[in-house]
Amino acid sequence: QKEVEQNSGPLSVPEGAIASLNCTYSDRGSQSFFWYRQYSGKSPELIMFIYSNGDKEDGRFTAQLNKASQYVSLLIRDSQPSDSATYLCAVKQRAGKSTFGDGTTLTVKP
Amino acid sequence: DTGVSQDPRHKITKRGQNVTFRCDPISEHNRLYWYRQTLGQGPEFLTYFQNEAQLEKSRLLSDRFSAERPKGSFSTLEIQRTEQGDSAMYLCASSSTGSTGELFFGEGSRLTVL
Repeated sequence: QKEVEQNSGPLSVPEGAIASLNCTYSDRGSQSFFWYRQYSGKSPELIMFIYSNGDKEDGRFTAQLNKASQYVSLLIRDSQPSDSATYLCAVKQRAGKSTFGDGTTLTVKP
Repeated sequence: DTGVSQDPRHKITKRGQNVTFRCDPISEHNRLYWYRQTLGQGPEFLTYFQNEAQLEKSRLLSDRFSAERPKGSFSTLEIQRTEQGDSAMYLCASSSTGSTGELFFGEGSRLTVL
């Protein structure tokens, strides 16, 4: 079992819809959780981070964390074609490395 | 600040040759990470430094790989006796202690081993 698992893609949604991306992790000692976006041929860039159970909203993006279930999700509301990318979930212990999932590729169709 | 820079951006080499990549982190960042990414996979952790100290190295990392950060600024990643399986994008990232833990990535160094 991989340390960080993401729902298999690709995921395709129409423009204006909600895209839901999911991630589970195995290390209960994980303390910080990140969503990165990676456009094709580019490096990952941070979208959101979350530390506490519950929801965190930033514009069209909402991150949700449930530590008991070891589950993190990212919702993208009013999806735009420019949101088409691979979304990487990353999990970090108190100090040290971030461990990444293999990503979910999202396509938003106009 | 120009962000994290990596050099070279592309490297083509023959199997058995040695290659070295350089990473210059964001100047105020004391943590530096090396990851490897292949097509369809997420970044795979290789090693990380806090200042000049190498604090963690992946168990999956062969002894052909070595990394240094001699003065706590730039870092080098050397791969000796390259194999075709080493072909990948090598990503460098930096962060600062006390921050959110966000990683700032460079554009990567793509290695092709023929």
